[in-house]
Amino acid sequence: GQQLNQSPQSMFIQEGEDVSMNCTSSSIFNTWLWYKQDPGEGPVLLIALYKAGELTSNGRLTAQFGITRKDSFLNISASIPSDVGIYFCAGQLAPQAGTALIFGKGTTLSVSS
Amino acid sequence: GAVVSQHPSRVICKSGTSVKIECRSLDFQATTMFWYRQFPKQSLMLMATSNEGSKATYEQGVEKDKFLINHASLTLSTLTVTSAHPEDSSFYICSARDRLARNEQFFGPGTRLTVL
Repeated sequence: GQQLNQSPQSMFIQEGEDVSMNCTSSSIFNTWLWYKQDPGEGPVLLIALYKAGELTSNGRLTAQFGITRKDSFLNISASIPSDVGIYFCAGQLAPQAGTALIFGKGTTLSVSS
Repeated sequence: GAVVSQHPSRVICKSGTSVKIECRSLDFQATTMFWYRQFPKQSLMLMATSNEGSKATYEQGVEKDKFLINHASLTLSTLTVTSAHPEDSSFYICSARDRLARNEQFFGPGTRLTVL
């Protein structure tokens, strides 16, 4: 099935560093979502974006919905060890709001203290 | 936030047997639920969309006779893996769409299926 292009695939950083990851698509999306998945668990929603250009923060996390509606980024500031996990972007194709999500391949984040 | 549960959390079965996995939305009604499969170190791949009171919609390449989906109520969808084989071993995750929360999807904790 269709997937989003998510990068980087993995990141190894020091505690306290900032992190940035992004997703792109050739299709226009109605909604962008960012999830975090810990091993053996389901994804947990971090941030949801609904309008082109929208910039939303959730604590140390900031995400933006690209103006073209074909991309999104997620930033994590001042990383801590519990940020370790796999981060997935997910989108819903326009104009069908409420349809199934299309997932990126994930970014595996490792944080060393 | 909205809570979705899955049962069982892990199951080990013999090849040829059938396994049923339940997905429940605990504090909201979900007219639509989704079933995903995730292999190790890979992303989630949509298997089917489950709509309450109607037949599920399967993604290309997913056998509907092998993966039976029943969405009998607004809070429960079940996935039955029939005649399971070792290649069906995977992490199965459901999500439920809360139409009162801007159609956001909330995921269950997943079910680890191991077929011997």
